[in-house]
Amino acid sequence: LAKTTQPISMDSYEGQEVNITCSHNNIATNDYITWYQQFPSQGPRFIIQGYKTKVTNEVASLFIPADRKSSTLSLPRVSLSDTAVYYCLALSGGYNKLIFGAGTRLAVHP
Amino acid sequence: DTEVTQTPKHLVMGMTNKKSLKCEQHMGHRAMYWYKQKAKKPPELMFVYSYEKLSINESVPSRFSPECPNSSLLNLHLHALQPEDSALYLCASSQREQGAGQETQYFGPGTRLLVL
Repeated sequence: LAKTTQPISMDSYEGQEVNITCSHNNIATNDYITWYQQFPSQGPRFIIQGYKTKVTNEVASLFIPADRKSSTLSLPRVSLSDTAVYYCLALSGGYNKLIFGAGTRLAVHP
Repeated sequence: DTEVTQTPKHLVMGMTNKKSLKCEQHMGHRAMYWYKQKAKKPPELMFVYSYEKLSINESVPSRFSPECPNSSLLNLHLHALQPEDSALYLCASSQREQGAGQETQYFGPGTRLLVL
């Protein structure tokens, strides 16, 4: 399983775009990049997943460059309710074992 | 319905008690998981059930005993726990265990356990 590295914490303000970068230098060919969000005292929630290029859904966008050694989660116009821990994972095909890294604590301020 | 439910929400138990945590999903998922999460730490995988059979045991002490009575239910039986076992216990499910890395896990809200 590829190891991922993310910033420990980030601060932002309401209405700003937030980009959280994740490094996964030893990502395998069949790994998917997956992001989960976790609010205090709740279970993690799936946000977005991608293999390469760009994926967008109603919550976020995920940018993965051609070499796939890093990825960026983009949250447009954050609000206070986006304050949470965001986990980046590289999931291998054929093996659905989630190994969570430390995650990024995002604090959104008024 | 993409909900995983867990009961109880909170549990306080002594070190000699026996208690059980329950998890339920009605999404037709065939893989279910138990995670343990200490404060300000990421979730750690404990057990994986696939098609009601124990697939992965991450070297969890025997005082934790999982059970999967059917495809919708997952229990975690607790006996003779230690204070350091106090944590948030999360249940999750996914369509299947094996397969592409695209499997999404759906998590329940967790049971906050305090061992005195």
